[in-house]
Amino acid sequence: DQQVKQNSPSLSVQEGRISILNCDYTNSMFDYFLWYKKYPAEGPTFLISISSIKDKNEDGRFTVFLNKSAKHLSLHIVPSQPGDSAVYFCAAKKSNFGNEKLTFGTGTRLTIIP
Amino acid sequence: GAGVSQTPSNKVTEKGKYVELRCDPISGHTALYWYRQSLGQGPEFLIYFQGTGAADDSGLPNDRFFAVRPEGSVSTLKIQRTERGDSAVYLCASSVDLNTEAFFGQGTRLTVV
Repeated sequence: DQQVKQNSPSLSVQEGRISILNCDYTNSMFDYFLWYKKYPAEGPTFLISISSIKDKNEDGRFTVFLNKSAKHLSLHIVPSQPGDSAVYFCAAKKSNFGNEKLTFGTGTRLTIIP
Repeated sequence: GAGVSQTPSNKVTEKGKYVELRCDPISGHTALYWYRQSLGQGPEFLIYFQGTGAADDSGLPNDRFFAVRPEGSVSTLKIQRTERGDSAVYLCASSVDLNTEAFFGQGTRLTVV
């Protein structure tokens, strides 16, 4: 059973516009969420995270929003740049567990159109 | 090296053969993780090491899979009697400890034919 879901396998956005990537989770025990970015032939790299005690975390062009009641989070990238083209994975865990307990979604391939 | 290094980058093997996948973590990182990413899926946890010992191997799919980290640095993931269903990208990651950011290698793409 897929506890972390990314229902959009792909997304295309014009350069300069906002990219919104969505993620839903089913396990109510998850209280820490991360986004990873992956380029072809490279491993995933950590992008941004959020704890369930917050509903928003911002880092430069990247903002993650968490809606606990809906068990939904989203990653906003604004403005989108060509270098943002990659696969984005949402991941979740219980905060008192470590990296070995990360549950990943299936990923969304973001393509930024110049 | 500066990052997590995995060798080989690609491995094609025949069904039934034995394979070893190697991971060189970032120097000084005590925690090391193996994940497997099948086509169209996100990475799935296999095993993690704290130092030399396998602290949690609950993600290993069956007893054909085994991993070691004898000196607390380099780790080898070993797969016996490979099956076509083992075809995937095997990712290694390391971190200073269990709760700090994990850095991933580029992965080994294993294809069993």
